Amino acid sequence: QSVLTQPPSASGTPGQRVTISCSGSSSNIGSNTVAWHQQLPGTAPKLLIYSNNQRPSGVPDRFSGSKSGTSASLAISGLQSEDEADYYCATWDGSLNAWVFGGGTRLTVL
Amino acid sequence: EVQLVESGGGLVQPGGSLRLSCVASGFTFNTYWMNWVRQAPGKGLEWVASIKYDGSEIYYVGSVRGRFTVSRDNAKNSLYLQMNSLRAEDTAVYYCASGNRFDVWGRGTMVIVYS
Repeated sequence: QSVLTQPPSASGTPGQRVTISCSGSSSNIGSNTVAWHQQLPGTAPKLLIYSNNQRPSGVPDRFSGSKSGTSASLAISGLQSEDEADYYCATWDGSLNAWVFGGGTRLTVL
Repeated sequence: EVQLVESGGGLVQPGGSLRLSCVASGFTFNTYWMNWVRQAPGKGLEWVASIKYDGSEIYYVGSVRGRFTVSRDNAKNSLYLQMNSLRAEDTAVYYCASGNRFDVWGRGTMVIVYS
């Protein structure tokens, strides 16, 4: 059971906008910034969003992040087939003194 | 180009030991926190350990504390994970990742603990 809760799956059609949620608590999301990582099939994870809503160089602006209270969200607009991947939220938990990841959300592009 | 390359994975029996290595290039290694993250087959990501750029702070997930030791050699741009008393549930791909944003990830090295 992950400390951060994500839906196990999400789906959308090409061109659609999809959002993935990440729910935590006051000791993690509520007091620290959130990152999102994308893992394409058979590959290593890749940083997609950091500090709640910042994109590393090279990440398309179709990807955006937000945080409110003890929850965070990743939004993908203009969905493309190559966005089919697993997505993980992550943050520091000050009570556990540990980095925590969400259980991951598998995005399917229909 | 920023790169992380892990090595040292393999097959080991329960109770055995392995030492993983991660060599970094393309960035100033001695100014970055470094991390180990693992992924069991078909499962999600699990953070394992982190070490501060000078080695003065170290954190572990509870399930490995006392069995695994993270260390680094800044002169060699290298990160290590000494894994002792290995269990079947330690079977996973082990990734190293740089920084407190997990900016860059290596390709991983597979550890299989079997009896």
